[in-house]
Order: sequence, then structure tokens, then C-alpha cells
Amino acid sequence: RKEVEQDPGPFNVPEGATVAFNCTYSNSASQSFFWYRQDCRKEPKLLMSVYSSGNEDGRFTAQLNRASQYISLLIRDSKLSDSATYLCVVFLSGGSYIPTFGRGTSLIVHP
Amino acid sequence: SAVISQKPSRDICQRGTSLTIQCQVDSQVTMMFWYRQQPGQSLTLIATANQGSEATYESGFVIDKFPISRPNLTFSTLTVSNMSPEDSSIYLCSARDGGRGTGELFFGEGSRLTVL
Repeated sequence: RKEVEQDPGPFNVPEGATVAFNCTYSNSASQSFFWYRQDCRKEPKLLMSVYSSGNEDGRFTAQLNRASQYISLLIRDSKLSDSATYLCVVFLSGGSYIPTFGRGTSLIVHP
Repeated sequence: SAVISQKPSRDICQRGTSLTIQCQVDSQVTMMFWYRQQPGQSLTLIATANQGSEATYESGFVIDKFPISRPNLTFSTLTVSNMSPEDSSIYLCSARDGGRGTGELFFGEGSRLTVL
């Protein structure tokens, strides 16, 4: 089983739709969680951190479920500009604090 | 935030040659990482570049093939040695903002390598 797993998609949704992605992780001792966004032929950039209490930033909501070992990203009122690959990143514990990436979920928002 | 400059941005190389990629961060960072991203795939960690000591390599990657240097807290290099077409990929330098301790990773723009 991979350490961090994501549904690669693509998720193909119309503008204005609500879409949600999940990401599961295998190491129960994982400490920190993030969602990154990667546009085609560009480097990944931080979208948002994922806190235990959940967090919201405009149209984006991230949540963590430690019991089931997954994090989620919800995008409301999708825009064309949201089309990208969304990468789940998990920092494993143990002092070395090494980041592990999921393979990414591709989102396509169409008119 | 940290700004990372990576060069070359792209290169086309012949089989059997070596290429060194440079990564410069505009501030001191605790940790620097080198990733590889093949088309349609996610990022695969090659190694953690340790300042003043040997890099820590992930399974499947060895120092002879991917020697890494990190002479100080703002600079690192990755060499892809004795290249073959299978090494064609995007190589990304990343740094963790240790100053704030948030864990946020910053990335360079990547080096797109094509091996003929």
C-alpha cells in the first residue's frame, strides 16, 4: 500500500459545481498535512494547510480525519481557473520530517 | 516565504553524460529536498540534502547516480550522472521554511531534462 493515496481523476465538473477530493495516508504517526496545487508544467504551490479542527479559505475547505487517516479538500463554486492537479502532502514523523506526496488529483472545470 | 532559483530550466543531453542542477534559496532554510517528477506522475523524493554532510537518499536512489552537494544553508546541487533516456524527467528542488516551522515547502520552477 502506498503511503499517500489519491484518486488521480480526472474530475470533470461544470463551473459553479462543488467538488471534493480525498487523500488517505498509511502512517498513523503522520504529523502535518497540506494541499498543494500544480498547474501544467509548473511547480507545486501551497494551497492550504490542513488542521485538526479543519480550515476554510474562501471557497476551499480542508479537513482532517485522523481516525480514518484521510484528509479532504472541498471546492465550492468551481471556477475555470481551479483546473489543475491537487497534490496531497503528508509529513511523516520521526524527527526527519520528510514530506511525502500523493500522485495528485486532476480537476477540469468546464464552462 | 522563500524564493528558489533553479537552473538550468531545461536541457537536452546525450546518453552517458552528466548534468548538474543548481538550486539557490534567497534565505537560509533548514531542509532542502530534491524530487523527480515524470510525465503524469507525482513527485518522487530522491534525497534530502543535508548541510555539511552526505545527503540522505530514498529507496531506489544512490549517491553514485545522483550525487548531491549542500555547502551551506541556501544552496544545493544535484548531479544526474551517466544519463540514460530513463532519466528524462523534471527535477525539482524544494526547501522547507524552517524559520517559521510551518512545514510549508517551496519549490523551484524545475529543470526539465531530456536525454537522447
